[in-house]
Amino acid sequence: AQTVTQSQPEMSVQEAETVTLSCTYDTSESDYYLFWYKQPPSRQMILVIRQEAYKQQNATENRFSVNFQKAAKSFSLKISDSQLGDAAMYFCAYDASGAGSYQLTFGKGTKLSVIP
Amino acid sequence: KAGVTQTPRYLIKTRGQQVTLSCSPISGHRSVSWYQQTPGQGLQFLFEYFSETQRNKGNFPGRFSGRQFSNSRSEMNVSTLELGDSALYLCASSQSPGGEQYFGPGTRLTVT
Repeated sequence: AQTVTQSQPEMSVQEAETVTLSCTYDTSESDYYLFWYKQPPSRQMILVIRQEAYKQQNATENRFSVNFQKAAKSFSLKISDSQLGDAAMYFCAYDASGAGSYQLTFGKGTKLSVIP
Repeated sequence: KAGVTQTPRYLIKTRGQQVTLSCSPISGHRSVSWYQQTPGQGLQFLFEYFSETQRNKGNFPGRFSGRQFSNSRSEMNVSTLELGDSALYLCASSQSPGGEQYFGPGTRLTVT
């Protein structure tokens, strides 16, 4: 079974600084997708960034970028120029729909606090 | 486009009752997935539907069921509610497998 591990239950960052959230996953599949989702106190899950496993290039979305290391099964999220609105739970998720899975497997999450 | 909508947003039920939750996906999205979120177990996959067919089911008892209609709207039903079913139930829709899943605001179910 696929598993997703987020080893940092909580992290904090100063406003305008950079922070990296870690995620590792376990799979025997070669075709899959990885995601980072943000869940603010409102509980609305918001997609932050998506990475396709067959693409070597790391995905980037404005201040958010990932470091995808397929061989190491590592998928970290870097948030640059942190803002107060970035404070939230961040979930790493794995999707093996290419192998007929059709489900997201989530990590336990990392609670990010932003210090003004 | 309108986002994923879920109704009701909040629900309080008594042990032994049953409940039906509804989800309307983003227009054009044919895949709908359901997840349960609790503080103890985190986010767990319930089931996924595409074109009215259940393609995958998570490790939940048979009390949890769902369906999808021809307009892609989906419902999930929980029968014989237990205290442990108290959770935030999230619905997500996507256009295709592996595509971005967009989540609704969730239904907060409290079982007393």
